[in-house]
Amino acid sequence: EAGVAQSPRYKIIEKRQSVAFWCNPISGHATLYWYQQILGQGPKLLIQFQNNGVVDDSQLPKDRFSAERLKGVDSTLKIQPAKLEDSAVYLCASSSTGGKWNEQFFGPGTRLTVL
Amino acid sequence: KQEVTQIPAALSVPEGENLVLNCSFTDSAIYNLQWFRQDPGKGLTSLLLIQSSQREQTSGRLNASLDKSSGRSTLYIAASQPGDSATYLCAVRLGDYKLSFGAGTTVTVRA
Repeated sequence: EAGVAQSPRYKIIEKRQSVAFWCNPISGHATLYWYQQILGQGPKLLIQFQNNGVVDDSQLPKDRFSAERLKGVDSTLKIQPAKLEDSAVYLCASSSTGGKWNEQFFGPGTRLTVL
Repeated sequence: KQEVTQIPAALSVPEGENLVLNCSFTDSAIYNLQWFRQDPGKGLTSLLLIQSSQREQTSGRLNASLDKSSGRSTLYIAASQPGDSATYLCAVRLGDYKLSFGAGTTVTVRA
């Protein structure tokens, strides 16, 4: 079974530029999550999708971050414009449903450096 | 708000020694607790998941215990090997089904 795929793996941009990350979850997984992991910290949930609807985006900085999951499969996370403090690893995860018993499976992440 | 703490932040042991990693959380109303491994530049790999009704889970050389009442979990790795070098994160699942992570313990096993 293929795991969660993410691209690109690394990205370096100047502040105020835009960037987009892509995630393809495990086939058949209805729930998709985006996390931000700043160096030395644990991952923090940014947004959770159930199929193509948003379940929770309470910690997403909506003035600069946006995410979509068209057709309930792939997802894209965008930052526009980027700030220095956005330097982090962005992790995508998926689970079969969003239920409390369901294990989340993580992708390899995208490491973003903002200069 | 749930706070998850992992102490120490880093640990270095000689090969063969047993590893003991600690995780504490402030709110005992959790559904489950999960231990993850993270290698440099990689995503998270799930090691063990303990449901709130369980006291421990075992997989090979790994054993994780859970004491909800005291807000603590411990991950034991027996007979450590250099390949066990990684960052280990614990995460608790809350009533809103979110995962709340600790900052991790970075382990180095010296050959």
